[in-house]
Amino acid sequence: DVVMTQSPLSLPVTLGQPASISCRSGQSLVHSDGNTYLNWFQQRPGQSPRRLIYKVSKRDSGVPDRFSGSGSGTDFTLKISRVEAEDVGVYYCMQGTHWPRTFGQGTKVEIE
Amino acid sequence: QVQLQESGPGLVKPSETLSLTCTVSGASISSSSWSWVRQPPGKGLEYIGYVSSSGSTNYNPSLRSRLTMSVDTSKNQFSLNVSSVTAADTAVYYCARGTSGPDTWGQGTLVTVSS
Repeated sequence: DVVMTQSPLSLPVTLGQPASISCRSGQSLVHSDGNTYLNWFQQRPGQSPRRLIYKVSKRDSGVPDRFSGSGSGTDFTLKISRVEAEDVGVYYCMQGTHWPRTFGQGTKVEIE
Repeated sequence: QVQLQESGPGLVKPSETLSLTCTVSGASISSSSWSWVRQPPGKGLEYIGYVSSSGSTNYNPSLRSRLTMSVDTSKNQFSLNVSSVTAADTAVYYCARGTSGPDTWGQGTLVTVSS
């Protein structure tokens, strides 16, 4: 299985300040079709996961533009330009290139 | 607006079979592949497997021997069976659309394995 390693696992942030989460995969996530299937999900307390980013950097409809994804190969980053109170929750990266699909351990974002 | 809703028993006895159904509204089940993901209480997400609209399946090897997934196009539903359950199968089970990066998720249903 492709191991997805997130850091940090806990991220206290100040409202209005930026935040960044790293995700590293155990092998390249470049698919044979040329795409890189790296996704980011947000799970607010008591809610289902919600996809924010797909194919490394494509933002889903309705996702605020303060969220951005970047990276390539095995190293990926989710950035929040200015954290808002509604951003509290756990963030997961997930690879959709290899079988079985695998998730990172999750990064808990909380307001300081 | 696509919506998914899981249904099934919330309590299953050890060694029995866990059976869940996901009802899709706002989209045809023939339009995509459909996934199951689970989350043990207080823990992270585990991808279980998916079923395509044609009924082909791909299961996580860690669970493969105990899984069965199917699709019912007439009802716009897909289903999950996990056999020989133990306490380790206690989790919130989510159904979702897509497999390389599920874009729509159900609200999840908690299944507890206990006698």
